[in-house]
Amino acid sequence: DTEVTQTPKHLVMGMTNKKSLKCEQHMGHRAMYWYKQKAKKPPELMFVYSYEKLSINESVPSRFSPECPNSSLLNLHLHALQPEDSALYLCASSQLGFLAKNIQYFGAGTRLSVL
Amino acid sequence: GENVEQHPSTLSVQEGDSAVIKCTYSDSASNYFPWYKQELGKRPQLIIDIRSNVGEKKDQRIAVTLNKTAKHFSLHITETQPEDSAVYFCAAILSGAGSYQLTFGKGTKLSVIP
Repeated sequence: DTEVTQTPKHLVMGMTNKKSLKCEQHMGHRAMYWYKQKAKKPPELMFVYSYEKLSINESVPSRFSPECPNSSLLNLHLHALQPEDSALYLCASSQLGFLAKNIQYFGAGTRLSVL
Repeated sequence: GENVEQHPSTLSVQEGDSAVIKCTYSDSASNYFPWYKQELGKRPQLIIDIRSNVGEKKDQRIAVTLNKTAKHFSLHITETQPEDSAVYFCAAILSGAGSYQLTFGKGTKLSVIP
């Protein structure tokens, strides 16, 4: 099973709303990632969690707040977003360790529109 | 940090012809090079990958070659079909403990004309 599940698939929110994106994997992967992807661009790394601890934050604005409640779940809390934050938000997971392949498996994404 | 250049940005081929996409990377320590295919509105999917201790890898109509000395790697698709139409991303990473960051190329939009 190489499934990474993301919910919701689509989200429309106003600039004053608070919403959360969810990601789940049951492959035993100990690294989980959030990416932002704009149209016709490659995925852009936002956050990395390894062993449920935040290890990389790519200078993402504080209106995006990640959370990793356990080794299978990853959330992205959204608050006071701007229209330019509209994008496809992708979650990914991978193995970790010296001999790990580091293959990243992506979820189907949440298409976010900020009005 | 790593930098990956990918060419061409768009590629149109007739069905049945071959397609080649090329990438170069800057960090000689990178040792794992995956290729992702992303169809419109869908997730990036790993289609083939190669490690730095291998020069070539093939999977049916898809092959990847790696030249470590020149720091470039290429994706070859033979006998292209309309369902091969998608955006293809190359990437590079130093695979192993403590490394997480895939560096992606900017992508190649492949159109296969029936």
